[in-house]
Amino acid sequence: GAVVSQHPSRVICKSGTSVKIECRSLDFQATTMFWYRQFPKQSLMLMATSNEGSKATYEQGVEKDKFLINHASLTLSTLTVTSAHPEDSSFYICSAMAGGQSTEQFFGPGTRLTVL
Amino acid sequence: AQSVTQLDSHVSVSEGTPVLLRCNYSSSYSPSLFWYVQHPNKGLQLLLKYTSAATLVKGINGFEAEFKKSETSFHLTKPSAHMSDAAEYFCVVSPGGYQKVTFGTGTKLQVIP
Repeated sequence: GAVVSQHPSRVICKSGTSVKIECRSLDFQATTMFWYRQFPKQSLMLMATSNEGSKATYEQGVEKDKFLINHASLTLSTLTVTSAHPEDSSFYICSAMAGGQSTEQFFGPGTRLTVL
Repeated sequence: AQSVTQLDSHVSVSEGTPVLLRCNYSSSYSPSLFWYVQHPNKGLQLLLKYTSAATLVKGINGFEAEFKKSETSFHLTKPSAHMSDAAEYFCVVSPGGYQKVTFGTGTKLQVIP
């Protein structure tokens, strides 16, 4: 089946530093990937839609200069949290669509970010 | 426009008894519907999906869901709960194509021994 990986699974950083999270589709090509954020005991909130070779589309209220998304290839999208602050601490999950007639998104295992 | 309502934020059942997690949706399209499970500090795992084929969908771990268009519902059921079923469950609606999906608020299932 379709597998999506994320790296790292956990990251702890100091306030003011930048953190990069990678999302990879391991056995399929994904023209579209999504980035979600999940606060404790809450549902997933879509942050942005990442399209290979073009700029990401951000949801309302998501700062595009703070959450930089790059989708450089059909198997890799990266999310960089710039100048992270404690309020950015969260669980970040990516997903990828295989395209064609499929409407299913395949989710990565998530990245736990803790900003001290 | 689309939305998903999970009617119960918490459901508690005894081990061996049936499970019912409720989900209602609204969509301007003929949607695809999914149920995902999330164990603590883990990613999402697909339980089952409805994509306009059979209305009764069977998934992994003994779960199934029935798509009822007249009731705009897609409730998740399991005949007999197991301790390992304790987790958070999300109902998701997708309009199709590359359009964004909408997550329900989640239902936390507690299984009592």
